[in-house]
Amino acid sequence: EAGVAQSPRYKIIEKRQSVAFWCNPISGHATLYWYQQILGQGPKLLIQFQNNGVVDDSQLPKDRFSAERLKGVDSTLKIQPAKLEDSAVYLCASSFSRGEDSPLHFGNGTRLTVT
Amino acid sequence: AQSVSQHNHHVILSEAASLELGCNYSYGGTVNLFWYVQYPGQHLQLLLKYFSGDPLVKGIKGFEAEFIKSKFSFNLRKPSVQWSDTAEYFCAFRGKGFKTIFGAGTRLFVKA
Repeated sequence: EAGVAQSPRYKIIEKRQSVAFWCNPISGHATLYWYQQILGQGPKLLIQFQNNGVVDDSQLPKDRFSAERLKGVDSTLKIQPAKLEDSAVYLCASSFSRGEDSPLHFGNGTRLTVT
Repeated sequence: AQSVSQHNHHVILSEAASLELGCNYSYGGTVNLFWYVQYPGQHLQLLLKYFSGDPLVKGIKGFEAEFIKSKFSFNLRKPSVQWSDTAEYFCAFRGKGFKTIFGAGTRLFVKA
């Protein structure tokens, strides 16, 4: 099966600029996640979608981050305006369901550098 | 607060040495436990998982992990590591609410 696709792989922007990341999950996976992984730390959940509805966005900095999954398939994550501390790898993952027996499948991530 | 603690940030071993990576989680309810691995230049992928039943679970490439409920631990083991096991290993759990929480990771380097 094709894996989780993410683009771009790398992005360098200046602070206060905006940036968007795209993710296409594995076909048939209802649940989609965006994680932020700062250097030296484990992935931290930003937002979780079930189909096109938000299940959990409790750790999403909503003053600058937004995400959507309009048709319940692919998703975009946006940062506007970016701050230096947003430098991280942004990981998209999908799972067949929200169920406890449904492990995550990750994309290769987008490495964001904010200067 | 729900969290995962991985005991070592960096581990260096010679080939054929035995491996044990420690993982403890903080959560009072029923959990599902995972180890994920990220090989150099590749994406995170599932190594093994525990949902219920036998607390000793076996994963790919000869890895195994043991769930000890009384210690809130899920340590990863391999009797004899290979150079190809060089990677970063993440322990994770999923509790109520289905949020998967990750530890900070352990970077393993195996010397040939």
